[in-house]
Amino acid sequence: QKEVEQDPGPLSVPEGAIVSLNCTYSNSAFQYFMWYRQYSRKGPELLMYTYSSGNKEDGRFTAQVDKSSKYISLFIRDSQPSDSATYLCAMSGGLEYGNKLVFGAGTILRVKS
Amino acid sequence: DTGVSQDPRHKITKRGQNVTFRCDPISEHNRLYWYRQTLGQGPEFLTYFQNEAQLEKSRLLSDRFSAERPKGSFSTLEIQRTEQGDSAMYLCASSLGRALGDTQYFGPGTRLTVL
Repeated sequence: QKEVEQDPGPLSVPEGAIVSLNCTYSNSAFQYFMWYRQYSRKGPELLMYTYSSGNKEDGRFTAQVDKSSKYISLFIRDSQPSDSATYLCAMSGGLEYGNKLVFGAGTILRVKS
Repeated sequence: DTGVSQDPRHKITKRGQNVTFRCDPISEHNRLYWYRQTLGQGPEFLTYFQNEAQLEKSRLLSDRFSAERPKGSFSTLEIQRTEQGDSAMYLCASSLGRALGDTQYFGPGTRLTVL
């Protein structure tokens, strides 16, 4: 079993829809949680960074962390065709673990105009 | 700040050849990471540096792989005697190395194809 599980999709939604992306994890040492967006043949771009359980909002994006359930989510409101990309969840145990990131497989999102 | 840069962006090589990739991190970032990403998968950690010191290597990094970061600035990743299974996107990331809120910024990657 992988440390981080993420449904690869693809997830196809109409423009304007609310998108929900999720990851589960098994390692209790993970303390920092991130969402990256990756366009085809490009490097990952950081979208959201959260520490501990709770919600964090940034524009149309909301990141949610539930450490008791080992479950994280990313919500995208008013989705746009330009949001079409692969969304990667990532997590780390912090500096004592080298801050190295463990990624999910990524969810392919397609927003149709 | 120009971000993390990687060179080359694409590399096609024949099996058995050696290849070397370069990564230039964001200036003043003392941590540098290498990841490998295959099609349909998320990036997997390979190794990382704190300044010029290589602090950890993944089990994915076989003896054919070597990485350096001379003078704590740019880094190189060399693969000797390439195999078809080495075909992947090689990503470099850098960060300040803070205890809290340490953010890794990724470069565009080097796509390696081994024929």
